[in-house]
Amino acid sequence: ETGVTQTPRHLVMGMTNKKSLKCEQHLGHNAMYWYKQSAKKPLELMFVYNFKEQTENNSVPSRFSPECPNSSHLFLHLHTLQPEDSALYLCASSQALTNSPLHFGNGTRLTVT
Amino acid sequence: DQQVKQNSPSLSVQEGRISILNCDYTNSMFDYFLWYKKYPAEGPTFLISISSIKDKNEDGRFTVFLNKSAKHLSLHIVPSQPGDSAVYFCAAKNTGNQFYFGTGTSLTVIP
Repeated sequence: ETGVTQTPRHLVMGMTNKKSLKCEQHLGHNAMYWYKQSAKKPLELMFVYNFKEQTENNSVPSRFSPECPNSSHLFLHLHTLQPEDSALYLCASSQALTNSPLHFGNGTRLTVT
Repeated sequence: DQQVKQNSPSLSVQEGRISILNCDYTNSMFDYFLWYKKYPAEGPTFLISISSIKDKNEDGRFTVFLNKSAKHLSLHIVPSQPGDSAVYFCAAKNTGNQFYFGTGTSLTVIP
């Protein structure tokens, strides 16, 4: 059983819709991440929150908007997405400022039609 | 610019033999290296890691080797088992707490 829970597991949305992905971690970590996994590409880091403060966004388009209300919860708000945004979106957490691994959720499979 | 590379997209190994998965990196500032295993429809699961101050770390059937001068990382699985069949990702962390991943190697262990 994963200590990082993502909902929903699957999402189909039109290009004009607005939806949100949710992530919750029960590991007591203080850093949370959003990654994007597309076919035949490495995992792409989208956003990093250390101690609830965003420290990295890696030039992600503004149609993706993260929110981290506390160290246990992370959201990714989606609006006016494009079909090429279809991918697996993975949330992860870690203990910042230490050499310790990322722990991933099972991801949300997003399809934009 | 991909900082972590796995040049073998797939590998097949007979059950009981050794599996060797390789990874190269370009950034000498990476200080922590990891291997993850991923099954379909699941998130990556942490397997084993190594700090940049070491050259070997072992955990049961899994051993990770780090060659800093060559900027090369490898994972040895011995003996390989059919349940080890999955996609394996190597990853590296910099001092800014950012983790970079390779594209993965799909391992098939043949019974």
